[in-house]
Amino acid sequence: KQEVTQIPAALSVPEGENLVLNCSFTDSAIYNLQWFRQDPGKGLTSLLLIQSSQREQTSGRLNASLDKSSGRSTLYIAASQPGDSATYLCAVRRANYGQNFVFGPGTRLSVLP
Amino acid sequence: EAQVTQNPRYLITVTGKKLTVTCSQNMNHEYMSWYRQDPGLGLRQIYYSMNVEVTDKGDVPEGYKVSRKEKRNFPLILESPSPNQTSLYFCATITGTHEQYFGPGTRLTVT
Repeated sequence: KQEVTQIPAALSVPEGENLVLNCSFTDSAIYNLQWFRQDPGKGLTSLLLIQSSQREQTSGRLNASLDKSSGRSTLYIAASQPGDSATYLCAVRRANYGQNFVFGPGTRLSVLP
Repeated sequence: EAQVTQNPRYLITVTGKKLTVTCSQNMNHEYMSWYRQDPGLGLRQIYYSMNVEVTDKGDVPEGYKVSRKEKRNFPLILESPSPNQTSLYFCATITGTHEQYFGPGTRLTVT
């Protein structure tokens, strides 16, 4: 059974810091991994998608890496801003399970002005 | 504008009263999915559909039904809602680049 965990559960940093969020999964048989942002009471916004054959993806101040063999992905946020405050979720799409997706519980990030 | 819409956005109902939450997308995507989100449990997949008339169970399908009679719509049906189905529900599609694209959510309370 695929299990996805995220560490830390919550993180508070001062504005301008670089930070790393972690996502771990137990079964390396994945098709892809996607990072999302969720603001309170809102839906999910896609940030980055990494295919299983890729090592990393970048978008602006965000960089996501994937190490399938060790079951880990990291989301790096450079020069954090108060507007980055949100909950960040990772999700894996399981290979050979159709379109089955498993989400992690999320990391709640607060960036203080 | 690319959209996934859900209705209603908020619903309070009583145990046993059948309800339907609608999901509609205007992107002509083949894949659609339903999730529920609960504190401490995260997002869990209920059902998904690869195309019209093709549906599959996710991780928590008990107590739910779905149908996919046309590509743009994927309603979630609760035949006899119970309080443990109180949750935040999301509909999602998959884009051509394999990214999941989510609707705004439906907050359901069953008393």
